Amino acid sequence: DTEVTQTPKHLVMGMTNKKSLKCEQHMGHRAMYWYKQKAKKPPELMFVYSYEKLSINESVPSRFSPECPNSSLLNLHLHALQPEDSALYLCASSARQGTGELFFGEGSRLTVL
Amino acid sequence: AQSVTQLDSQVPVFEEAPVELRCNYSSSVSVYLFWYVQYPNQGLQLLLKYLSGSTLVESINGFEAEFNKSQTSFHLRKPSVHISDTAEYFCAVSEHTGGFKTIFGAGTRLFVKA
Repeated sequence: DTEVTQTPKHLVMGMTNKKSLKCEQHMGHRAMYWYKQKAKKPPELMFVYSYEKLSINESVPSRFSPECPNSSLLNLHLHALQPEDSALYLCASSARQGTGELFFGEGSRLTVL
Repeated sequence: AQSVTQLDSQVPVFEEAPVELRCNYSSSVSVYLFWYVQYPNQGLQLLLKYLSGSTLVESINGFEAEFNKSQTSFHLRKPSVHISDTAEYFCAVSEHTGGFKTIFGAGTRLFVKA
């Protein structure tokens, strides 16, 4: 069983909807990540939070809005998405001063109609 | 800047045959190296990692990888594959600087045939 939990597993939304993806970890990790993965491609980094502060934003469009309410939770708020945003969204965590070893959740499969 | 090259996009192999998935990296500093596996409709799972010490690392399910600094490679091997090993395998590298960026290779699809 993964120690990073993502909800929902599947999400279908229209281009005018507002929805959120949620991620939770209880490993005491202080860095949390959002990745986007298209079919047959590697994960692409979107955002990194370190100690609940946004550390990296890989020039992600503003229709994606991350939030880190506390050290265990990470949200990704979605608004006015495009069909090309359909993908698997993966949450991951790592030890802050670690080796870069990532612990992934099972992902949220997003379909934008 | 660091980069990772996985030389094979797909590797078909018969069950119980050996397999090697190739990975080369480029970096100007010391790196940590990883292999992640992704089964269909799932997230990525760490398969094995090289952090320091012995250049040969092993996983609990029979995979091994060897860090070769002179050839900047970290190839993944298994002497006898099972149908259940069918998955996407990603080689990844992160730098010793302690930053947050893990760079992934494009992935290799291992397809084990009966």
